[in-house]
Amino acid sequence: GQQVMQIPQYQHVQEGEDFTTYCNSSTTLSNIQWYKQRPGGHPVFLIQLVKSGEVKKQKRLTFQFGEAKKNSSLHITATQTTDVGTYFCAGPDTGGFKTIFGAGTRLFVKA
Amino acid sequence: NAGVTQTPKFRVLKTGQSMTLLCAQDMNHEYMYWYRQDPGMGLRLIHYSVGEGTTAKGEVPDGYNVSRLKKQNFLLGLESAAPSQTSVYFCASSWEGYYNEQFFGPGTRLTVL
Repeated sequence: GQQVMQIPQYQHVQEGEDFTTYCNSSTTLSNIQWYKQRPGGHPVFLIQLVKSGEVKKQKRLTFQFGEAKKNSSLHITATQTTDVGTYFCAGPDTGGFKTIFGAGTRLFVKA
Repeated sequence: NAGVTQTPKFRVLKTGQSMTLLCAQDMNHEYMYWYRQDPGMGLRLIHYSVGEGTTAKGEVPDGYNVSRLKKQNFLLGLESAAPSQTSVYFCASSWEGYYNEQFFGPGTRLTVL
């Protein structure tokens, strides 16, 4: 079946270092969403990418959607302790009503 | 505007007991979802609804039932709880389907002994 895979599963960084998480789909996606979940919290929507090759920025966060619309990445520049949490990518299933979430990348930031 | 609320926040059940988790949203969203989250496995869709009176199976529906009698409420039932159902359960809602962001509730932490 359709799969959305994320790597790495975990990432430990020193505060100030950059961080990147990658998302790969087994099928072409019409759009991709990114969510952040703080420890003990619930997922919160960050952004949606729709166009092939699209790049969007939110302060220190840069989101990219691949040209083939099968992969995406989230890059954080100069991480801060407030960036700690799990980052999920999510894409629509081929049936159209549901969203498939990746397993997430958990980011640990050491001050 | 409370967004998405879930009750209860925590619950401990014994194997074989039943319970209902309640999700309510005040954003007039059409779509509602129930997910379970287990360590290292992300969010897995249990059931979802595309409107009042409708329900459909997700990725892991076995052992669960749902109802959406009112647009603002989505109930998740466990008829006979099993230890494998120990998890954190999240409810979410959205305007429509996958093109719209999902708003998540705070979650229910369920332990089945």
